[in-house]
Amino acid sequence: AQSVTQLGSHVSVSEGALVLLRCNYSSSVPPYLFWYVQYPNQGLQLLLKYTTGATLVKGINGFEAEFKKSETSFHLTKPSAHMSDAAEYFCAVSLEYGNKLVFGAGTILRVKS
Amino acid sequence: EPEVTQTPSHQVTQMGQEVILRCVPISNHLYFYWYRQILGQKVEFLVSFYNNEISEKSEIFDDQFSVERPDGSNFTLKIRSTKLEDSAMYFCASRRDTLPQETQYFGPGTRLLVL
Repeated sequence: AQSVTQLGSHVSVSEGALVLLRCNYSSSVPPYLFWYVQYPNQGLQLLLKYTTGATLVKGINGFEAEFKKSETSFHLTKPSAHMSDAAEYFCAVSLEYGNKLVFGAGTILRVKS
Repeated sequence: EPEVTQTPSHQVTQMGQEVILRCVPISNHLYFYWYRQILGQKVEFLVSFYNNEISEKSEIFDDQFSVERPDGSNFTLKIRSTKLEDSAMYFCASRRDTLPQETQYFGPGTRLLVL
């Protein structure tokens, strides 16, 4: 069965600093990988996804993530944090023949001025 | 931009009561889902629905839960006799077609509190 681990339930960065949110997955088959963001009182919004092809994926709001099969990781990065990036971020996987998304526990990102 | 909507945004109910959570998926989408997130825990899959039947359900989705697409636009989750442990945020999602790499679009959620 697949699972997703997000290291760090809370991450705090200064405005302008690098954002790094970690995600590792466990899957018996190559997964499809997603990052979702949830702003307060809103639903889950897709940031980016990896399906096939280029392992470095660019998403909205300047975020990107790199699929590293050897490390079973899909870490999310942004070179320079903005106050508006403060939210909860969820990593998720979906299998080739499956339907559902399996989520990590989420990481709350705080951006300090 | 089309979006998934959910009503109500908050619901408070007494233990043992029935609740119906409503969702309007994106209009040309074919797959529909319910997920829930108990406070402080992961977002968990409950059920997926396609072609007017359940395509997959989790262990959580027992006989107390049911889903329905009563018309061409609504997708509902019913909990027949709520328990305290059903208190959670419930998210509806929809997807355009069958490919697993297709994006699931989520609604804003219904926060259910069972007293």
